[in-house]
Amino acid sequence: AQRVTQPEKLLSVFKGAPVELKCNYSYSGSPELFWYVQYSRQRLQLLLRHISRESIKGFTADLNKGETSFHLKKPFAQEEDSAMYYCALSKETSGSRLTFGEGTQLTVNP
Amino acid sequence: GAVVSQHPSWVICKSGTSVKIECRSLDFQATTMFWYRQFPKQSLMLMATSNEGSKATYEQGVEKDKFLINHASLTLSTLTVTSAHPEDSSFYICSTEGVPGDTQYFGPGTRLTVL
Repeated sequence: AQRVTQPEKLLSVFKGAPVELKCNYSYSGSPELFWYVQYSRQRLQLLLRHISRESIKGFTADLNKGETSFHLKKPFAQEEDSAMYYCALSKETSGSRLTFGEGTQLTVNP
Repeated sequence: GAVVSQHPSWVICKSGTSVKIECRSLDFQATTMFWYRQFPKQSLMLMATSNEGSKATYEQGVEKDKFLINHASLTLSTLTVTSAHPEDSSFYICSTEGVPGDTQYFGPGTRLTVL
């Protein structure tokens, strides 16, 4: 069965510092990987997906199949980036039956 | 992106009663909807996949007779927690899949508290 692991439950950085949220997965097939974000008092929303290979709000994530990782990075964190971040995996069929990681609460301090 | 609503946003009920939660796709027709449960400080766990016009597909370990799902139209799926007990207290979230290949769009969630 597939599994997604986010080793850090809490991550705190200062404004302007680089930030990396780690995500590792286990799945024998070809997964699709996502990062979802949940800002305070808001619903879960898609941040980015690996097949898009785009940067959203300054965040990027590269799928490393050798290391089975999909870490989320941003070179200069902003206070408005403070939120809960979830890494998620879907099997070959895009968008369906997501398996979520435990989530990382990111706090960007002024 | 698609807009998904849930009703109610929170509900408190007595142990042994049944509670119905609605998930609506407001601006497009959703043949597939998903129901998740999230316990405090934990991740979202997929409970079931709701398919319009057919039976829901439940994840392993989820009791289909306890969590009844009905997806009678392309814009509405309902989750009924039958004979609720305090351990069913949780945050229930639905999502819809857009066009094939699209991402999921999430509802705001429903907080269920069973006394």
